[in-house]
Amino acid sequence: QVQLVESGGGVVQPGRSLRLSCTASGFTFSYYGMHWVRQAPGRGLEWVAVISDDGSNKYYADSVKGRFTISRDNSKNTLYLQMNSLRAEDTAVYYCTPFDSWGQGTPVTVAS
Amino acid sequence: DIVMTQSPLSLPVTLGQPASISCRSSQSLVHSDGNTYLYWFQQRPGQSPRRLIYEVSNRDSGVPDRFSGSGSGTDFTLKISRVEAEDVGAYYCMQGTLSWTFGQGTKVEIK
Repeated sequence: QVQLVESGGGVVQPGRSLRLSCTASGFTFSYYGMHWVRQAPGRGLEWVAVISDDGSNKYYADSVKGRFTISRDNSKNTLYLQMNSLRAEDTAVYYCTPFDSWGQGTPVTVAS
Repeated sequence: DIVMTQSPLSLPVTLGQPASISCRSSQSLVHSDGNTYLYWFQQRPGQSPRRLIYEVSNRDSGVPDRFSGSGSGTDFTLKISRVEAEDVGAYYCMQGTLSWTFGQGTKVEIK
């Protein structure tokens, strides 16, 4: 069955960087555009970024544009999110998803 | 940017009774390809989101038929015909016509 396993989250100081990974299985990863969606503690869902199936097109929410970079390696069935210049407001659980399936998410806490 | 506005934000319901959630977009969600990219997600307490409805009214596999989606243009509705205990949680609409935007969420609880 479809599995999405996010990893790489943790506690990081403001201004530092973190790279999230998402390993997919159970479907043909290279056929799907993939998204990152986040959820701050006690808050709703916020779309973060998308990458097309072949990696040629990428779009970002205004809140992360210029700081976050989405990428993928279809040979490894893996999605990435490079997060630079992290801020307290980036604290959230980060999910990778093609929208019809979701992982458990990986928590990111930005705090000094 | 398209803004998605859900109402109500909190919905106390009686078991076995119907429930309805409204979602309005700040502009039409009809894409230039003719499709309307409006989705509904359920998030039970402590769980990851789950998609219920895609493109306004299509139920995802395994979604009970008590869930239905309808609407067009800028006004959309998710209906639960008879609420069950397992339906407690937050419900989000999302548009994918112009970038992607979620509504604020509606919390469904049992009275």
